[in-house]
Amino acid sequence: EAQVTQNPRYLITVTGKKLTVTCSQNMNHEYMSWYRQDPGLGLRQIYYSMNVEVTDKGDVPEGYKVSRKEKRNFPLILESPSPNQTSLYFCASRLDRVNSPLHFGNGTRLTVT
Amino acid sequence: AQKVTQAQTEISVVEKEDVTLDCVYETRDTTYYLFWYKQPPSGELVFLIRRNSFDEQNEISGRYSWNFQKSTSSFNFTITASQVVDSAVYFCALSGEAAGNKLTFGGGTRVLVKP
Repeated sequence: EAQVTQNPRYLITVTGKKLTVTCSQNMNHEYMSWYRQDPGLGLRQIYYSMNVEVTDKGDVPEGYKVSRKEKRNFPLILESPSPNQTSLYFCASRLDRVNSPLHFGNGTRLTVT
Repeated sequence: AQKVTQAQTEISVVEKEDVTLDCVYETRDTTYYLFWYKQPPSGELVFLIRRNSFDEQNEISGRYSWNFQKSTSSFNFTITASQVVDSAVYFCALSGEAAGNKLTFGGGTRVLVKP
């Protein structure tokens, strides 16, 4: 089944404790992206990757890191999480065409206390 | 820069009523793509439809229909004879080359369909 898989679904952590949210897709998509969803703000892009070893900042990259060592994986790293990073996070992928729809993972709800 | 505005934050209807969700966009691109996504209470994001800027034909899919009007930069979505299962947050989104193919989302409209 074609899908984007992100883990974990739920995560509660404390300020400053490094964490990684994993994302993997099995559709051989070139493009992958991370979004955060906050009430009233919709989804905002954190980082995106056009292909292996090619990553770039989205609208809200501060406090996040990503890597793209393999085509299928695109982990999101929070080196020192803070409470303002409490949010619902989505990983997404698509073919490298502007008209391709994004396929989303099921989301990771992160709480930073 | 590109921008998507969904002015309605929440709409509440009774089952079988029609509901229209507004979406207004801004872009410098001449070629761009518009999307609608649904987010049910379970939280996942489901792709509903894509339109390109050259195709202003309205589209109907079952109880769903979309009205794309380039002259007013709008891409509105209507649910006919709403059902409780239509209760969800709906997002309008825009993608264009000038913004590096980024998909920009509106703030979403929460639809609550009461039985």
